[in-house]
Amino acid sequence: ETGVTQSPTHLIKTRGQQVTLRCSSQSGHNTVSWYQQALGQGPQFIFQYYREEENGRGNFPPRFSGLQFPNYSSELNVNALELDDSALYLCASSLGRSNTEAFFGQGTRLTVV
Amino acid sequence: AQSVTQLDSQVPVFEEAPVELRCNYSSSVSVYLFWYVQYPNQGLQLLLKYLSGSTLVKGINGFEAEFNKSQTSFHLRKPSVHISDTAEYFCAVTHGNNNDMRFGAGTRLTVKP
Repeated sequence: ETGVTQSPTHLIKTRGQQVTLRCSSQSGHNTVSWYQQALGQGPQFIFQYYREEENGRGNFPPRFSGLQFPNYSSELNVNALELDDSALYLCASSLGRSNTEAFFGQGTRLTVV
Repeated sequence: AQSVTQLDSQVPVFEEAPVELRCNYSSSVSVYLFWYVQYPNQGLQLLLKYLSGSTLVKGINGFEAEFNKSQTSFHLRKPSVHISDTAEYFCAVTHGNNNDMRFGAGTRLTVKP
């Protein structure tokens, strides 16, 4: 068990709605990375937050946005949901920007109908 | 940019048999390589990683992997599998302070009695 917790575990939303997913990082970690894992695929990097600032972004549109708070927890916000946004969303926390020691949460399963 | 190819989408084996899950990567710079395991409805758990040094890396649950720079491979092996090893396995690559970890599409290992 890692110290990374995500909420909620499951979520159903309607196309066009907005959603916020939350991640509490492991104690002592100052970096959170978010990934989208579509069914039957590997995780894809969305973005990373390091000390409350975005530190890199993958190939995702601007309707995917995030925040990191002073306690290093993080939120992923997705606006104007599309059916293809249905996926498992994973967050990983680490100390520093390198991914050499990243710990993943259990994920949030988002279904868009 | 780096990328990962997992050569087998599914690998069925019998209990106590050896197994090899294959991973090839491409990158123009030195890389860090990882193997993660994902059990149903869970996040990713780190099995092992190669950062530098010895090319034979030992991980948890009896798994090991060998980094082969000339063949750009990082295959995962276990000499004798258990039913509990049934899961999805992901190979991943990143480098330096790169925040973008690239994952393969995954290999479904099914261990049969």
